[in-house]
Amino acid sequence: GENVEQHPSTLSVQEGDSAVIKCTYSDSASNYFPWYKQELGKGPQLIIDIRSNVGEKKDQRIAVTLNKTAKHFSLHITETQPEDSAVYFCAAIRTGTASKLTFGTGTRLQVTL
Amino acid sequence: DGGITQSPKYLFRKEGQNVTLSCEQNLNHDAMYWYRQDPGQGLRLIYYSQIVNDFQKGDIAEGYSVSREKKESFPLTVTSAQKNPTAFYLCASSIQGGRHNEQFFGPGTRLTVL
Repeated sequence: GENVEQHPSTLSVQEGDSAVIKCTYSDSASNYFPWYKQELGKGPQLIIDIRSNVGEKKDQRIAVTLNKTAKHFSLHITETQPEDSAVYFCAAIRTGTASKLTFGTGTRLQVTL
Repeated sequence: DGGITQSPKYLFRKEGQNVTLSCEQNLNHDAMYWYRQDPGQGLRLIYYSQIVNDFQKGDIAEGYSVSREKKESFPLTVTSAQKNPTAFYLCASSIQGGRHNEQFFGPGTRLTVL
């Protein structure tokens, strides 16, 4: 089955700096990679996703890159703000089947003033 | 408002008792999922259902049971056979066969065994 590894487990940045979270996956057939943000005591919310036929996707201050050859994908947050503080999860799945989303172990991002 | 609701938000249980967590969605989604989240760990899949009256075990189904009698509802029962039930439980749903299998999550239920 799919295995997703996520690093780092914790990340502290100063407000205005950039943050990068990296994930690797094992199943070369995986073709959809969502990123979720989870605030304390709440359920995860999808913030951005990328398909395997795209190398990069941006949405304002958030971007995701995908390297299919190396089987890794990354989340980039620029100009970080205190409200970006949360736990971020990456995930991978091969769509169109009964496959299940496989999640990384999460990264706790702390944006300090 | 469309979405997924879970109740209760907090739940306390004595050892040896079964307890049922509620999950309801009005998104008209076919598929529903239950995950368990422990501190410092990712989401682990307990059970999932792709259609009414059908469900499959996930990665950590032991000590749990589910039912899917209605499209909107997917309750999870934590039985006394679950050795370490204290955790944060998340329900999710998705359009079966939909674009990217995007999953939408509920707010979660925190279960504590006393």
